[in-house]
Amino acid sequence: GAVVSQHPSWVICKSGTSVKIECRSLDFQATTMFWYRQFPKQSLMLMATSNEGSKATYEQGVEKDKFLINHASLTLSTLTVTSAHPEDSSFYICSARGNSYNSPLHFGNGTRLTVT
Amino acid sequence: AQTVTQSQPEMSVQEAETVTLSCTYDTSENNYYLFWYKQPPSRQMILVIRQEAYKQQNATENRFSVNFQKAAKSFSLKISDSQLGDTAMYFCAHLWAGSYQLTFGKGTKLSVIP
Repeated sequence: GAVVSQHPSWVICKSGTSVKIECRSLDFQATTMFWYRQFPKQSLMLMATSNEGSKATYEQGVEKDKFLINHASLTLSTLTVTSAHPEDSSFYICSARGNSYNSPLHFGNGTRLTVT
Repeated sequence: AQTVTQSQPEMSVQEAETVTLSCTYDTSENNYYLFWYKQPPSRQMILVIRQEAYKQQNATENRFSVNFQKAAKSFSLKISDSQLGDTAMYFCAHLWAGSYQLTFGKGTKLSVIP
């Protein structure tokens, strides 16, 4: 079946540095990918919709200069957390869907980010 | 905007018994889908079951079934013959076909007791 690979699965970085998270669709092309954030014991909150070849659409309250999204190809979207701070520590999950109507959504395994 | 409400933060069920998780939603759209996702401690999001809003028949997947009441905007999940591996967070989610954005409920933590 379709698989979405997310890398890294966990990362620890120092405050002030930037971290890049990759989301790849392994056996299908994904025009659209989604980035979610999940705090401990909470639900998934949509951060942004990533569209191949165009700018991402950010949800209200999400800083686009803080969370840079690049969807350069039909199989890869990246989320870069810039100048990370401890409050950015969270679980980030991507999802992707194929290009045909009624294509299902597939989730990556998530990335646990810890900023020290 | 779509909203999804799960009114049961935590539930428990004895192994082999049946449990029902509640979910209500609010939407002004006609073309949408509803989902139940399972998130075990590994935090992998696993699709449990999916319902198209235009279908009146309730979806069923082995031990999992839904009670979809479109007029009442209710979408409950029934787990039969509960197994220890069913222990997880369960999220109800709404997806509007126009955007393919998922809106999640706050989740229900289900514990299956041996």
